[in-house]
This record gives sequence, structure tokens and C-alpha cells, in this order.
Amino acid sequence: GAGVSQTPSNKVTEKGKYVELRCDPISGHTALYWYRQSLGQGPEFLIYFQGTGAADDSGLPNDRFFAVRPEGSVSTLKIQRTERGDSAVYLCASSLQGASSDTQYFGPGTRLTVL
Amino acid sequence: KQEVTQIPAALSVPEGENLVLNCSFTDSAIYNLQWFRQDPGKGLTSLLLIQSSQREQTSGRLNASLDKSSGRSTLYIAASQPGDSATYLCAVKGSARQLTFGSGTQLTVLP
Repeated sequence: GAGVSQTPSNKVTEKGKYVELRCDPISGHTALYWYRQSLGQGPEFLIYFQGTGAADDSGLPNDRFFAVRPEGSVSTLKIQRTERGDSAVYLCASSLQGASSDTQYFGPGTRLTVL
Repeated sequence: KQEVTQIPAALSVPEGENLVLNCSFTDSAIYNLQWFRQDPGKGLTSLLLIQSSQREQTSGRLNASLDKSSGRSTLYIAASQPGDSATYLCAVKGSARQLTFGSGTQLTVLP
């Protein structure tokens, strides 16, 4: 079936605004990950879901960032009171079960620009 | 805390050359190591995944090796082509489920 999809592909917002980024994982994948990639750097982990619950949110930088996955499929990353430093590409990945041997499949990312 | 380093940061080679990209990691307690390719403005494409019990993996012109005890991996690309131009990222998975990435090597293959 289809790979991981993310919407929107690009998002421009003003400082202080609220944004939502959506990730639709590969059908049947129970594990979902969010990463953030700044220019010239590798992706950095934000949060990992196993089913509906956040199994590890240790990478979220502060309480302005929040993510949900209410039905165990689509996930939304929410950023409140955006700051210019939040500008980055936000990548979503999914894997079959979240097992240590699983391959993570990445979506194309959402490029967020905060003016 | 796991740290992943990739050397060189950028590499430019003429078409047809064989080349090696390097990746090192500080904590040898990993489950696996994965090499990805990233084209400008695109997501990540998985190239090779090496489990901790394995020494190498091959796919076409690509060969990746893993020396877990020394914290090193190499990605060997044979007979490089302009279409190989991209950023190559190395990532390791430890006891946590997330990947820890290096900053990548930007490869340019000149025709």
C-alpha cells in the first residue's frame, strides 16, 4: 500500500501562532515516531507512539509541543505559541510493531517556517 | 547519551569512483544500525539495516559494515553514478525505540 504521508508539505506561520502537523502511517503499523530535522543536521527524536499511547516523549523540547494518536493510526503534532527556533522539517516514521529489529519508514516531512 | 558522528561532512568525487562513508557511535549497546539516503527537500529512504549480530549487509552497489565493539560502520558505494548524489545519514537504535542520527555526509558525484 501507500507509504507514510504527511500534511501539509509546507507550513508558514507567524511567531506566536498555533500549528498542527499531520502524519498518516503505513496501514497496519502500530509504532509511530516524530522527528525534527534542522538545516544541515540529522533528524532528532521527539516522540514515539505504540498504538494510541505515547510510549516515549522524552524528545519533546518543552510543553509547547504535544502529540496525539487517538485511534492508533493518524497522529497530529501540535505546537503552541510557535517561535522562530521551531522552524525545521518535521518528519514522521512508522514501523510494524516497534520492535528493536523493525525498519522505520519515513514520510516526506512537513517544512515549518515561523516568521 | 548516544552520539553519532559522520565523516566527512561533504564529499565530491568523479563518476565511476568507489567511495567509503564513515559513521561512528559512542555507545556500542545498539540493536541495529541503518543507513539512509536523503534527497534535497525529500524524506529519508532506507538503504541498508544491519542488526547488531551481523557484520555487513549488501544491496546492489552498496555494502555496509558494522564493527559494534569499536563503534564504527562504513558504507561502501561501488562505481558511483551522478544519481547517487544525495545526503547519506547513519542512524543507530539502542534500548529505546528511537533512532539516533548523525549529521550526514553530503555526496556529489560529478559526471
